Formats: sequence, structure tokens, C-alpha cells
Amino acid sequence: AQKVTQAQTEISVVEKEDVTLDCVYETRDTTYYLFWYKQPPSGELVFLIRRNSFDEQNEISGRYSWNFQKSTSSFNFTITASQVVDSAVYFCALSEYTGTASKLTFGTGTRLQVTL
Amino acid sequence: DAGITQSPRYKITETGRQVTLMCHQTWSHSYMFWYRQDLGHGLRLIYYSAAADITDKGEVPDGYVVSRSKTENFPLTLESATRSQTSVYFCATKTGPNGLYEQYFGPGTRLTVT
Repeated sequence: AQKVTQAQTEISVVEKEDVTLDCVYETRDTTYYLFWYKQPPSGELVFLIRRNSFDEQNEISGRYSWNFQKSTSSFNFTITASQVVDSAVYFCALSEYTGTASKLTFGTGTRLQVTL
Repeated sequence: DAGITQSPRYKITETGRQVTLMCHQTWSHSYMFWYRQDLGHGLRLIYYSAAADITDKGEVPDGYVVSRSKTENFPLTLESATRSQTSVYFCATKTGPNGLYEQYFGPGTRLTVT
């Protein structure tokens, strides 16, 4: 069965610090997708990024960057120069195709608190 | 463009009552999902649907029933609500080949069972 582990339950940083959120996954499939979602205090779930298992290029989007390493089954998320607005719960997720549909398995989330 | 809507947004009900949570999408995505979110558990899949009239169980289906007679609607029914079903419920849709791409979530329904 697929599994996603986010070992960091909660992280607190001061604004402008860099912070990395860890995500480790388990899957037996060769084709899969990895995702990061953000859940701000308002409660909605916001999609941030999708990465497929055949694309190990790192991605940067503004202050956000993602490091995908198949060798260690990790898909880590770094926020550079964090801001108070980054305070949220961040979820890593894994999608596998089961033959009838694909399903997402979520990690338990990492709560990021950015203070002034 | 409303995307995904859920109703009600907040609901308080008593143990033993039947409750139906509604989910409606305007995109005509084939795949729809119901999750519950509880502290310490992240999001757990209750039921999903690959198309109208096709539904299947997820990780925590007990006590829930779904139907999908139309592509755009995917109601979730708690047949006899229990306190353990107090949670935030999210509906989601998905697109992409075999539905492998990202899911888009509704705003959630906060359900309290007293």
C-alpha cells in the first residue's frame, strides 16, 4: 500500500528564514504523481505543485522550490525567505492508478508557523 | 466559475440522525472524491467515483453512503450519525489521464455530531 510520511508535525520560524518541509513516500508503482497542498488558517486546500515519477528535475516558483529524489523516495518543499502569509498546514500527497481510478494518499501534514 | 461547492458549510446534528452533505461541480470532471479531515490523520478518503453511477470505497467508508446519478453531483450521506463522525468533510474533483492529476477541493463542510 502507498504511504506518505511527513515527520515534521510543526515548524516555527522567524520571517525571512528559509524552511524545508520533508516528505517521504512509499509506493510499488513505477508511474505515480506527487503533490503539495497548502491549507491556510481559512481552511481551504490549495494545490501548489504536481510532479510525475519520471521527472526528477527540481522546480522553482518564486520563493517556493521542490526537490524530488527517487533514490530516497523524497519530495521536499523549501520556502525561501519565509513570510507570515506562508503560515499554514502543508500536505504532501501521492497518487497512484489502481486500475479503476487513481487515489490520493495524504501525509498527516506539517504546520508551519512564521512569526515576525 | 463556481468550481466546486459544498453545502451546508456548517452542520450540527444529533447522534442517530441521517445527514446528507452535498457536493456540486461545474467542470464536468469524471472523478469525484469525499475526504474527512481530522487532527493527526490528515485527509482520509471515504468514497470516490470514477463516473456517474460508478462509486467505490476508500479508506474509511463505514457509516457513509454515496450516490452519483449525475456527473456534477456527489452527495455523501451519514445514515446514522455518530460522534466519531464529527469532522471536516471535503469534496474534490480530479482530471487528467485516468484521473492522475491534481485534485481540486471544495471549501469543506464542518460537521458536529452531538
